[in-house]
Amino acid sequence: SYELTQPPSVSVSPGQTASITCSGDKLGDKYACWYQQKPGQSPVLVIYQNTKRPSGIPERFSGSSSGNTATLTISGTQPMDEADYYCQALDSSTALFGGGTKLTVL
Amino acid sequence: QVQLQESGPGLVKPSETLSLTCTVSGGSINTYYWSWIRQPPGKGLEWIGYIYSSGSTNYNPSLKSRVSMSIDTSKNQFSLKLRSATAADTAVYYCAREPQTRDWIDPWGQGTLGTVSS
Repeated sequence: SYELTQPPSVSVSPGQTASITCSGDKLGDKYACWYQQKPGQSPVLVIYQNTKRPSGIPERFSGSSSGNTATLTISGTQPMDEADYYCQALDSSTALFGGGTKLTVL
Repeated sequence: QVQLQESGPGLVKPSETLSLTCTVSGGSINTYYWSWIRQPPGKGLEWIGYIYSSGSTNYNPSLKSRVSMSIDTSKNQFSLKLRSATAADTAVYYCAREPQTRDWIDPWGQGTLGTVSS
């Protein structure tokens, strides 16, 4: 079965750039999206169709995808960006999520 | 702006059916896919399935044998039933919307905790 793999954790200093990867077989042939989830809150869409930002999402969030990997990049990371991040893609009409990455800003 | 709100019994006994309803406000339920996603405490997200406004459904193969969904367009509501529930089904259950392309899931409801315990 198809799987999306994320690193369990990523750490970044405030103001630096954070990169979170999502790997899957030929993921670059699919559309990937990314969600941010803070404790006790619902997931929020931050990137869709690999690179697009929904209205209201800060410009410091960007996405890319190539080959087997999709990447979420947060430039100038702020303490408020500390959260869990999940990638998601479709496989045979089933929506699949990566296992999630805890981003720590310290 | 579309908003979604889950409702339903927070506690069911093992082997019983977990039943939840999602009410959609601020927009029409037509021409979208309406999904359920769950998240066990401290764990990741799992997509359960969707129901389209026409009533067609698609379920996660891992849950397909126990899941059913229905929709009431007159009430702007859709529902989830998960049969033969076990403790492993204890999770926060979210309802959400998918566009025609199914490329993303947004918006999400606030989630409701469904607990399976005797």
